[in-house]
Amino acid sequence: DAGVIQSPRHEVTEMGQEVTLRCKPISGHDYLFWYRQTMMRGLELLIYFNNNVPIDDSGMPEDRFSAKMPNASFSTLKIQPSEPRDSAVYFCASSSQGRPDEQYFGPGTRLTVT
Amino acid sequence: AQTVTQSQPEMSVQEAETVTLSCTYDTSESNYYLFWYKQPPSRQMILVIRQEAYKQQNATENRFSVNFQKAAKSFSLKISDSQLGDTAMYFCAHLGGLRYNFNKFYFGSGTKLNVKP
Repeated sequence: DAGVIQSPRHEVTEMGQEVTLRCKPISGHDYLFWYRQTMMRGLELLIYFNNNVPIDDSGMPEDRFSAKMPNASFSTLKIQPSEPRDSAVYFCASSSQGRPDEQYFGPGTRLTVT
Repeated sequence: AQTVTQSQPEMSVQEAETVTLSCTYDTSESNYYLFWYKQPPSRQMILVIRQEAYKQQNATENRFSVNFQKAAKSFSLKISDSQLGDTAMYFCAHLGGLRYNFNKFYFGSGTKLNVKP
């Protein structure tokens, strides 16, 4: 298995631009998670999906952030408009029903907003 | 509230020696999981070891072992025979029980471990 796949690995954009991060979970996994890692706040859960449905988005910082999962093999995290304080590493992770303790992380996307 | 505390921001150890990383957590659940993740400079989050709260026996994985003290809500990681490749950030994490949503991980702030030759 290829593991959780994220793209791009690095993204540099200017303030005000729209940014879209992409994730492909492990095949057969029905839970998908988006995390953000910063020096100030550490690793925090933004949102997670079960069977493509958002279950808990309480960690999404504000309306500029949105996440979708149109099918079982693809999810996006969009920031519009982006701000310098959004600079962070964004991780996607997936797990399967019945094994919430086995959560596999993708390699992360390092986002820099200038 | 589910909280995970790592009180050691940074630690150093000589190659081949043993080091212990500390972690405490807060929960009112009786059934939960605890984890240690390793994050090397590549950024990849790598699961090191996992402990189920209802299991009294401490988990071990080769050179990595934990000291799980449920009553004290303590979960330390011991790395024996430290290797240069162990240099990384280490995160303690808690996966809550049924009441607090069994799919949400709570991570500590991390401990940066430097293994010196």
